[in-house]
Amino acid sequence: DTAVSQTPKYLVTQMGNDKSIKCEQNLGHDTMYWYKQDSKKFLKIMFSYNNKELIINETVPNRFSPKSPDKAHLNLHINSLELGDSAVYFCASSQEGLALETQYFGPGTRLLVL
Amino acid sequence: QQQVKQSPQSLIVQKGGISIINCAYENTAFDYFPWYQQFPGKGPALLIAIRPDVSEKKEGRFTISFNKSAKQFSLHIMDSQPGDSATYFCAAKVDTGRRALTFGSGTRLQVQP
Repeated sequence: DTAVSQTPKYLVTQMGNDKSIKCEQNLGHDTMYWYKQDSKKFLKIMFSYNNKELIINETVPNRFSPKSPDKAHLNLHINSLELGDSAVYFCASSQEGLALETQYFGPGTRLLVL
Repeated sequence: QQQVKQSPQSLIVQKGGISIINCAYENTAFDYFPWYQQFPGKGPALLIAIRPDVSEKKEGRFTISFNKSAKQFSLHIMDSQPGDSATYFCAAKVDTGRRALTFGSGTRLQVQP
């Protein structure tokens, strides 16, 4: 019954590799997000999609490319991974118009680049 | 530029005590202020939220106090319990258009038995 799920939960990889993280929500929400949490636990928005359309694209390297095949899915592909990409990546979703537009977060994907 | 400043960075409270975490914001366009609770290894979860048209909101042991003129808001946890030990994040959002949350830097709360 997981509302927002992410795969994989852990990802350990070498510098220079390309990897993808997948996110799915079964809440019927129309907006999905990717947040990055760094080693100091600071949470920052990376991307936001509304009905498969990109609406927020923060200052994120071009190596990061989000893709939303449908409203329920938002994937994150990272090219040429760097040491500084090591972080926890959280997917979240919300519904426009619902009270206070609560954002529901997934369990996170812990990425470690060696 | 940190738009939402949170303090303290860490807090130790005895069981039964009151935990108080403070946040200040700069962007006067913010009009939704949630608090999120995060346990180790988990994603943040909404705890309580407030809009600036009220000065206080209470849900069980958790209360948000909001001071619009000072651009500050705080979380009070009454009768703090060891199970409240977690990291707490304040956040803010503009209601329309851009919907992403701007988070504070987090407060690690430890409630000692």
